[in-house]
Formats: sequence, structure tokens, C-alpha cells
Amino acid sequence: DTGVSQDPRHKITKRGQNVTFRCDPISEHNRLYWYRQTLGQGPEFLTYFQNEAQLEKSRLLSDRFSAERPKGSFSTLEIQRTEQGDSAMYLCASSLIVNEQYFGPGTRLTVT
Amino acid sequence: AQSVAQPEDQVNVAEGNPLTVKCTYSVSGNPYLFWYVQYPNRGLQFLLKYITGDNLVKGSYGFEAEFNKSQTSFHLKKPSALVSDSALYFCAVSPRAGANNLFFGTGTRLTVIP
Repeated sequence: DTGVSQDPRHKITKRGQNVTFRCDPISEHNRLYWYRQTLGQGPEFLTYFQNEAQLEKSRLLSDRFSAERPKGSFSTLEIQRTEQGDSAMYLCASSLIVNEQYFGPGTRLTVT
Repeated sequence: AQSVAQPEDQVNVAEGNPLTVKCTYSVSGNPYLFWYVQYPNRGLQFLLKYITGDNLVKGSYGFEAEFNKSQTSFHLKKPSALVSDSALYFCAVSPRAGANNLFFGTGTRLTVIP
């Protein structure tokens, strides 16, 4: 499968713990995006990378959230001191052409 | 500010009948509009987009969408629904050319009844 992959698919953590998610984009795609989706809502944009540079961040991305794409390939999204409100599906997408994004299956985070 | 509205949470249609999933948008400037479909346990899949040109856009799996500037709408259509089309459909708008983020609607669950 040469699509976008995300790991893990599910994560259950206790409030206050740190979690890290990984996204592997489609290999030739230089653009990478993170979104968050809560139940009954559409995805909400979090941040965007072009190659290794993080070029855009949403106001939704609080200082407990950090994303990296160190070599312009895979990306990680870390949430520190998780809160119950962080429970959501975290989606990664990549693209080669602007405005045509391909999404991964998501990581479902549950904070207890 | 930009926004997308999908006025129907749920659409039911009989197999073989035409289907329409509605979307209206609000954006300053020229809109860039998209439809995505989400199947259970799978990622969002790109269906089609409108950037410029012909108001009727054809996409994957026999879907098409019609851009109507005066009504600020971008409804998704298919002439003959299949049971396998049952899924969650999202309309999205990009606020400007080359923008890196998409604004999504809340989704419409389509159920095709055999």
C-alpha cells in the first residue's frame, strides 16, 4: 500500500501523559498536513509542512502540541500533558499538488 | 472568514435512484471547493474539486458536482446510487489559491437502501 500511513491507529492514555503519533506520507509528496476530527465534526486544520519547514499553524495548536518533520519525510505530532478534550481522531494528509490532499486512516486518541 | 455548511446530517436514497448531497459555502474571493468521502476505518478519500472552468466537475466513482456561484453552492450528485456509496461525505473549501488548509463541513451520512 503506497498511501499515507499513521501509527498507532488507536491510543488510550491517562490524563497528563504525553503521546506521540507518526505519519508517513506518500513518498513523493513534499507537503504534509495534520488535522483533528472530533465526533460529528469535519476535520479541523492543525498545521502544515512543506518539506521539513513548518509553514503554518492553526490557533487550535496550543503550546502543548508540537509537530516535526525532521528530514522532510515522516512527521510526528506530540501532545504533552494530555487533557480529556484532546480525545479525537488525528488525521495526517500529504500532497504533491496544492489543494489535492490524500489522507491517512487516522490515529484515534482517547484520554481517560 | 470562510465556512462550509452541509445542511443535511443524513440522506437516504434507494439504490438506482439519483442522489444529491448538498453543500453551501462562504469565502471571500474565488472559492476552491472539494468533496471527500470517508468510509469506516479508512481515511478520507478525495472525490473531486472545483478550481475554475466548467461549473460541472466530474470525479471518482461516477460522482459529479455542480458549482453555482449565485447560490454559493457545490452540491454532489450521482445519477444512480449504489449500496457501496453509503459513507460519510464532506464538503471542503480552501480560502484562496495556494492555501495550505481546508475548511470542512460537518459531513453528511449517505445511506443507499437496497
